[in-house]
Amino acid sequence: AQSVTQLDSQVPVFEEAPVELRCNYSSSVSVYLFWYVQYPNQGLQLLLKYLSGSTLVESINGFEAEFNKSQTSFHLRKPSVHISDTAEYFCAVSEGPLTGGGNKLTFGTGTQLKVEL
Amino acid sequence: KAGVTQTPRYLIKTRGQQVTLSCSPISGHRSVSWYQQTPGQGLQFLFEYFSETQRNKGNFPGRFSGRQFSNSRSEMNVSTLELGDSALYLCASSARTGGTEAFFGQGTRLTVV
Repeated sequence: AQSVTQLDSQVPVFEEAPVELRCNYSSSVSVYLFWYVQYPNQGLQLLLKYLSGSTLVESINGFEAEFNKSQTSFHLRKPSVHISDTAEYFCAVSEGPLTGGGNKLTFGTGTQLKVEL
Repeated sequence: KAGVTQTPRYLIKTRGQQVTLSCSPISGHRSVSWYQQTPGQGLQFLFEYFSETQRNKGNFPGRFSGRQFSNSRSEMNVSTLELGDSALYLCASSARTGGTEAFFGQGTRLTVV
């Protein structure tokens, strides 16, 4: 079984300040890792993913996350946030290759990022 | 390329009724997964269908069922609705099963009264 822990339920931050949203996971098999963002009354939008290769992954809007296997973490960072980044962010895992787990995603409880002026 | 389409967007049903939700995946995608999102339980996996076969199932009662058609469109059915079934139901589309990302629709907001 897998689990995902997002340690912070809410993170307030001023505009243009850096932010880190923490995500730790637990799994007995290798995993794929994802960050999704959800705006009010919307579905989930994929922000970035780690499937294989470089452990540092980046999104087109300035977010990045680093897969740390030894610490079982996949923290999300942005060096300078904008008001429009205000949303809820979900970390998720799915089973890695050769496990036959399909596309089942296990989600964390979410972190509400609130960017203030 | 069109995204994932879920219909309807909003639905109000009475306790005891049944409901069917629809999901059209991204063109060419063959995997469809369903999730339930509630304030108390968060995002929970319901089931995944791939090439018309249920691939994986979450821990939900048998009142929750689904199917997938040959064009990859999927439906989810909930029978004998309970107040606790009120939730945002999200559909996710993937190109294959395993080792790839999922793209979500806008969701169907179900309210049971």
